[in-house]
Parts: sequence; structure tokens; C-alpha cells
Amino acid sequence: LAKTTQPISMDSYEGQEVNITCSHNNIATNDYITWYQQFPSQGPRFIIQGYKTKVTNEVASLFIPADRKSSTLSLPRVSLSDTAVYYCLVGALGNTGKLIFGQGTTLQVKP
Amino acid sequence: GAVVSQHPSWVICKSGTSVKIECRSLDFQATTMFWYRQFPKQSLMLMATSNEGSKATYEQGVEKDKFLINHASLTLSTLTVTSAHPEDSSFYICSASGVGEADTQYFGPGTRLTVL
Repeated sequence: LAKTTQPISMDSYEGQEVNITCSHNNIATNDYITWYQQFPSQGPRFIIQGYKTKVTNEVASLFIPADRKSSTLSLPRVSLSDTAVYYCLVGALGNTGKLIFGQGTTLQVKP
Repeated sequence: GAVVSQHPSWVICKSGTSVKIECRSLDFQATTMFWYRQFPKQSLMLMATSNEGSKATYEQGVEKDKFLINHASLTLSTLTVTSAHPEDSSFYICSASGVGEADTQYFGPGTRLTVL
């Protein structure tokens, strides 16, 4: 399973764009990149998933370079409620997809 | 869509007793469910992978006789913590992947277990 490396913590202010980069140098050909958000005492919540290039949904964008050895989660105009831990995971999908969580990035959004 | 529930959301029990936690996929069929444990200020740790109708696959270091997993249907998996001790106190989270879905795992809200 591909190991991921993320910054342990990040600070931001309300209204700013936040970019969290994740390194996954040994990503496999059939691996997808998935980001989750977790609030204290809650299960992780799916944010976005991609395989290559760029993916955008209503809450975030995911940028993946051609070599797929890293990815960047972009959160536009964060608010205080975006304060959470963000996990980058790499793995196969569906019922073959065992996910191994790294330490995640604790994002603190300040007023 | 893709909703996973857990029951109970929290439980307190005495040392030596057994506790059962249920994980249900509410709007899809889950051939595979996963069980995680999370201690305070730490990341999620995968305990086991549960496939419907077969025995669970446990991660290294997880005692299969202590953490009994049953995945009897495509919408329900249970985790039973047997002879619980205070060190088993943790946040237990399940996730589920759908049948033939080219998408990811969806997580339940978690169960807080406190063993006195």
C-alpha cells in the first residue's frame, strides 16, 4: 500500500484558499487518491477523489500532476467550520480498497 | 446516498463484559466493510476487513478472538469486543464499500466505547 506524507498542521484565516499537499511516491497504477475530512468524535467524511489531472466538486478541488506522486487538496474560501483533520489516502477502489490512514493534516481556521 | 450508520453511538461497560457494535449500509449493498479504531489525538488504525459471508481478515497485531467480526448480510457487519478491558476504550469506526461501485469507502459516525 502506498504511504502518504502530509504536513502535520496548517493555519489559515477565514475566506482564504487553503492548499494541502500530499506526497505518495510509490502510488500504484490502479490506486486512486481520496481525501477525507474528520471532525472530533465523528467518522471521516468523504471530500473528493481522483486518479489524474484535476477533479472539482462543490466543496473542493483536487490537483494531481502527471506523475501522480503527489496531490493537492484545494479548499476555496475556508470558514471556521472547516477546522478539522484532513487525510489523504491512496488505494484501490471498491471492495479491494484497503485504506491505511496516515497522520493527517490538522487545519486550524482562524477568524 | 452512501450512508453508513453505527449503533450504538456510545457505550459504557464494565471490565470483563462483551460489547457488540453494529455497522449498517443504509442505501447500498456493501460486499466489504472495514473496522477501524482510533485513540485520542491519533489517526485511524485499520483493524480488519470484513467480506460478506466469509471470515474477516485481521491486521497484524489485532486479536481475532478478542474482536469478533461477523458480516452476515450485504448491509450489516458487527464487531464484538469480548472480555473488554479499560485499554479497549476507544473510538470504533466502520466503513463500507459498495457492490461493483467504482467509488470509495464511506464511513460510519463511530462508536465511543468506554470500559470501566
